[in-house]
Amino acid sequence: ETGVTQSPTHLIKTRGQQVTLRCSSQSGHNTVSWYQQALGQGPQFIFQYYREEENGRGNFPPRFSGLQFPNYSSELNVNALELDDSALYLCASSPNTGHSNTEAFFGQGTRLTVV
Amino acid sequence: AQTVTQSQPEMSVQEAETVTLSCTYDTSESDYYLFWYKQPPSRQMILVIRQEAYKQQNATENRFSVNFQKAAKSFSLKISDSQLGDAAMYFCAYLVEEGGSEKLVFGKGTKLTVNP
Repeated sequence: ETGVTQSPTHLIKTRGQQVTLRCSSQSGHNTVSWYQQALGQGPQFIFQYYREEENGRGNFPPRFSGLQFPNYSSELNVNALELDDSALYLCASSPNTGHSNTEAFFGQGTRLTVV
Repeated sequence: AQTVTQSQPEMSVQEAETVTLSCTYDTSESDYYLFWYKQPPSRQMILVIRQEAYKQQNATENRFSVNFQKAAKSFSLKISDSQLGDAAMYFCAYLVEEGGSEKLVFGKGTKLTVNP
């Protein structure tokens, strides 16, 4: 088991609401990446945070936003939830950028259901 | 665009037997990393094995090994002496560096069933 923890494990929200998902990175890791895994699909990259700054983003709209804190933990915020946002959201932490994602460790994910 | 293709949505194997999961990818890079991840029902992505493209020798981790064919852009995973605990979704992934960040590009996965 990795040292990456995510909360909550499950969440049900109504369309149009806002949600915040949390990730505590492994000790010593300063880079956090977020992925969305729809049912029956592989994970898709949302964005990456390094030392509290977003330094890369996938093909997701601006209503997906994030934060990284001085202790390197991170939040993923999604506004104006849509039914298609229902997915497993995975957080991965790694030591630093520069091929660091060869050592990425994943959390167990948050299962978000939008009704 | 970088893509990863897993052509086998499902595979099954008898316990103690060997199974091979297929993966092809598309890239114009000369040096890159490839990975196989296992995702059991617990949902956590667990790294099984990784391969750096410039290393010609195929990576091996205990019962897991890869057949890396760089020219063909093929990266298959062989599981020997399959165990019940190997049952899971297996994802092939490729590391992409873009704009100062790195991201993993995943295939759609192969569901492996291990029969007793």
